[in-house]
Amino acid sequence: QVQLVQSGAEVKKPGASVKVSCKASGYTFTSYGISWVRQAPGQGLEWMGWISAYNGNTNYAQKLQGRVTMTTDTSTSTAYMELRSLRSDDTAVYYCARVGSYSNYFDYWGQGTLVTVSS
Amino acid sequence: EIVMTQSPATLSVSPGERATLSCRASQSVSSNLAWYQQKPGQAPRLLIYGASTRATGIPARFSGSGSGTEFTLTISSLQSEDFAVYYCQQYNNWPLWTFGQGTKVEIK
Repeated sequence: QVQLVQSGAEVKKPGASVKVSCKASGYTFTSYGISWVRQAPGQGLEWMGWISAYNGNTNYAQKLQGRVTMTTDTSTSTAYMELRSLRSDDTAVYYCARVGSYSNYFDYWGQGTLVTVSS
Repeated sequence: EIVMTQSPATLSVSPGERATLSCRASQSVSSNLAWYQQKPGQAPRLLIYGASTRATGIPARFSGSGSGTEFTLTISSLQSEDFAVYYCQQYNNWPLWTFGQGTKVEIK
């Protein structure tokens, strides 16, 4: 069965960086993309960006351009999201989600990773 | 950027009643519209894609309709496990996605 398992919770200071992992299993990793979505406490879903696991192409949300980098390691079927220059308003649960090559909706989600930014 | 607007923000419904949720796109997204359900402390779950196709394992009481800019999610007879927040999402503008702000379905 398809599973996306994310790394554990992180606490970071303002200005630091965080790297969250998302390990995929149960499907051919390179046949799909991965999107990252975050959710601040009590708020809605915010799309952050997407990476093709096939060729590494990326597209990031305008507001995060320059601070976020998404990568994949096809040898371990793992996707990564790094966010730099963290601020308090980056405190959120971060989700990875599988995206079909042709379907383009998010059919499977990771369990989420809480990132807390606090001095 | 395509803006997705959901209404109402909160819907109070009694168990067994019908719930109707709306989602409007700022420009046409054809039928490239998905609905997700999110319960407290859980990741979102795909309910509907292609505006009207139920995802695997989703009960028939969930139905989606619409195309272009106006979409509706209907829950025909609310069960206790259906009280949650529902989000619409457009994927017409791939590889750029946007979500609505969500509709909370609460017990009346």
